[in-house]
Amino acid sequence: KQEVTQIPAALSVPEGENLVLNCSFTDSAIYNLQWFRQDPGKGLTSLLLIQSSQREQTSGRLNASLDKSSGRSTLYIAASQPGDSATYLCAVPFSGGYNKLIFGAGTRLAVHP
Amino acid sequence: DAGVIQSPRHEVTEMGQEVTLRCKPISGHNSLFWYRQTMMRGLELLIYFNNNVPIDDSGMPEDRFSAKMPNASFSTLKIQPSEPRDSAVYFCASSSGAPGANVLTFGAGSRLTVL
Repeated sequence: KQEVTQIPAALSVPEGENLVLNCSFTDSAIYNLQWFRQDPGKGLTSLLLIQSSQREQTSGRLNASLDKSSGRSTLYIAASQPGDSATYLCAVPFSGGYNKLIFGAGTRLAVHP
Repeated sequence: DAGVIQSPRHEVTEMGQEVTLRCKPISGHNSLFWYRQTMMRGLELLIYFNNNVPIDDSGMPEDRFSAKMPNASFSTLKIQPSEPRDSAVYFCASSSGAPGANVLTFGAGSRLTVL
């Protein structure tokens, strides 16, 4: 059974710091991994999708890496800004499936000026 | 594109009442998902449809929950009768594309409070 864990659960940093958010999953036979952002009271926004054949994806100040063999992914945020404050969730398809996503509990990030 | 549209955004009801949540997916998307989010359990997949057909409803918690997708542009999630423990934010999401390559687009959610 696929399980997804995110560490840390919460993070508070001053503006400008580089951050690393961690995601681990128990079943390495995944098709892809997605990182989402959720602002308070809002829905989820997809940030990055990494295919199983890829090792990383970049979008602006965000870089996500994937190591299937170790069951880990990291989301790197460069030069953090107060606008980055949100909850970040990673998600992988259910074992044996590809359309159904199982989510981690998320990392709640606060970037203060 | 207006994205995935959910209604109502907020619903407060009393225990025992019927609740109907609605979702309009993105035009052209062929998969639709209903998720529930609570502080205790995080995001849970309730049911998903592919080409309007329910593929997997194993996440539906009880028979009180039912979902339909009568056409490609509309889906409902119904709870009858509702209970306080059903209080949560219910999200609808849709996607398209090849399996493994699709990206989910979420609606803003329907916040349900059952008194």
